[in-house]
Amino acid sequence: DAGVTQSPTHLIKTRGQHVTLRCSPISGHKSVSWYQQVLGQGPQFIFQYYEKEERGRGNFPDRFSARQFPNYSSELNVNALLLGDSALYLCASSFGTGELFFGEGSRLTVL
Amino acid sequence: AQRVTQPEKLLSVFKGAPVELKCNYSYSGSPELFWYVQYSRQRLQLLLRHISRESIKGFTADLNKGETSFHLKKPFAQEEDSAMYYCALVPGRDDKIIFGKGTRLHILP
Repeated sequence: DAGVTQSPTHLIKTRGQHVTLRCSPISGHKSVSWYQQVLGQGPQFIFQYYEKEERGRGNFPDRFSARQFPNYSSELNVNALLLGDSALYLCASSFGTGELFFGEGSRLTVL
Repeated sequence: AQRVTQPEKLLSVFKGAPVELKCNYSYSGSPELFWYVQYSRQRLQLLLRHISRESIKGFTADLNKGETSFHLKKPFAQEEDSAMYYCALVPGRDDKIIFGKGTRLHILP
């Protein structure tokens, strides 16, 4: 198993654009969660999906949305990008027990 | 408010010396606490969780509810311990994990 995979690994967008980040969980994991990591900070919780249902949402604006597909992969969407959205976006999968397996992240730069 | 505090951004320790990475938490219920580690050019990974009471790579962490702390300790530091360490709190039965800001551990030769 390759572990949690995320795409793209790097991307550059301009303010006001939209971005979609993708994540494939470890086989057998039904929970996918998304975290934002700004330089110098720990990861901040954005969303969790379990069995395609939203289970939790962090303190992020409505510009951030996500979904989980029947194969348990997930997408994170961010609309109307701001400079402050520049960060490393981490996806993690698990059995839903708090032990997370992280991907390598998608580094988003907003110009 | 639920919060995890790691007071040290950087901790430099000589090889063979003891290591203690501090973590304090704020949570009104019964917390589940973890330490995650990120080695250079690797992904973030679980190091240990308090309920397992294991020693992983020589590291241990004891939950002290009175002091609301979950410090990570190792008696003799090794160069391969150099990494970024994050203390994390799970307030509920899901994956909404609250991370501290992290401590970079630098082991000096």
